Amino acid sequence: EIVLTQSPGTLSLSPGEGATLSCRASRSVSSDSLAWYQHKPGQAPRLLIYGASTRATGIPDRFSGSVSGTDFSLTISRLEPADLAVYYCQQYGSSPMTFGQGTRLEIK
Amino acid sequence: EVQLLESGGGLAQPGGSLRLSCAASGFSFSFSAMTWVRQAPRKGLEWVSNIGSTGEYTFYSDSVKGRFTISRDNSKNTLYLQMNSLRAEDTAVYYCATSYWASTSYFASWGQGTLVTVSS
Repeated sequence: EIVLTQSPGTLSLSPGEGATLSCRASRSVSSDSLAWYQHKPGQAPRLLIYGASTRATGIPDRFSGSVSGTDFSLTISRLEPADLAVYYCQQYGSSPMTFGQGTRLEIK
Repeated sequence: EVQLLESGGGLAQPGGSLRLSCAASGFSFSFSAMTWVRQAPRKGLEWVSNIGSTGEYTFYSDSVKGRFTISRDNSKNTLYLQMNSLRAEDTAVYYCATSYWASTSYFASWGQGTLVTVSS
């Protein structure tokens, strides 16, 4: 199975700053089949990005995804207090589908 | 608006069984593949099982294969997960979600989850 390693484990930033979250795959992800989710405490996870760089419906353009080989990134610009959450990447290019361990984003 | 409401969680003994349900509304359930994803305490997300729109195709993670059964009733807009031979490591919040494809996919809409605790 493809192992996804997310870094950093925790990111602490101030409102207005930008954040870059990383997700490295243990091998090539077919057709850049990678998604990003935002998971706030006590809430349902929310799809942000699929296909490595396509924003899901209703997601603001402050959120963007990119890929270089087996390295995927989620960039959040102009951080807001509401962005406090754990962010997960997920590959769906091959079975079994796997998630990264998550990056916790703290807003100072 | 897509709504997914899980139910059926609770306390089960090791070796016991539980049946989870996910009531769907706000979209064409009978045309949508569906999935179950779980999150153990202080752990990340783990895919559990997928099912195609008609129920003809089902897929399972190795950790639940042979113990869990996913099914659906399109006349009731409801997804199910029958969990047998439960283990302590099955303790988790279980989420249902819409799946773009039956086999492998991203998950566009999620429910709030239902907690399953396996303990004696």
